[in-house]
Amino acid sequence: AQSVSQHNHHVILSEAASLELGCNYSYGGTVNLFWYVQYPGQHLQLLLKYFSGDPLVKGIKGFEAEFIKSKFSFNLRKPSVQWSDTAEYFCAVNFATSGTYKYIFGTGTRLKVLA
Amino acid sequence: NAGVTQTPKFQVLKTGQSMTLQCAQDMNHEYMSWYRQDPGMGLRLIHYSVGAGITDQGEVPNGYNVSRSTTEDFPLRLLSAAPSQTSVYFCASSSVGGVPEAFFGQGTRLTVV
Repeated sequence: AQSVSQHNHHVILSEAASLELGCNYSYGGTVNLFWYVQYPGQHLQLLLKYFSGDPLVKGIKGFEAEFIKSKFSFNLRKPSVQWSDTAEYFCAVNFATSGTYKYIFGTGTRLKVLA
Repeated sequence: NAGVTQTPKFQVLKTGQSMTLQCAQDMNHEYMSWYRQDPGMGLRLIHYSVGAGITDQGEVPNGYNVSRSTTEDFPLRLLSAAPSQTSVYFCASSSVGGVPEAFFGQGTRLTVV
């Protein structure tokens, strides 16, 4: 079955520290990849997405992610986090073949940034 | 620009009661879906639809029904609420062409007592 794994469930960083959140998926076909962010009490918002081309994609608020096909990974990075980045981050995969358009989400990573 | 609209935002039910969570989108998206979000479990897919008249089960469909009579609306019905259905529910929609970015509603916080 298709699945998405996020290995870090809780991450605590100080401001200005660098961030990397891992995401791996289990599907060998064509995929679209996403990172969403959920600020406390709010709905999910798109941070960035990858569907083809340059495997290094840049999103909003200084976030970027790298797609490594051989590793089935799509890790999220930010060079210097801010207190306002405190949120929950979800990796998602859309399986785009065989008429399947389901989104599968990872279990999320709660990031707390200490001021 | 309404996007995806969910109602209600909060609901308290007694065990055994039924109710319908409403979801509407105005982006002419073919794909709509319902998720529940529980602590430590991320978003789990309940049901989804790829177009009017077409629905399918997701990961956790038991206790829920859906229908898709129009492109715009995708209601989620709880037939007989149970405490295990206490959760936050999100509706999402996306196109099936191009890159299908999902747009989410604001969520419904449901408590079953």
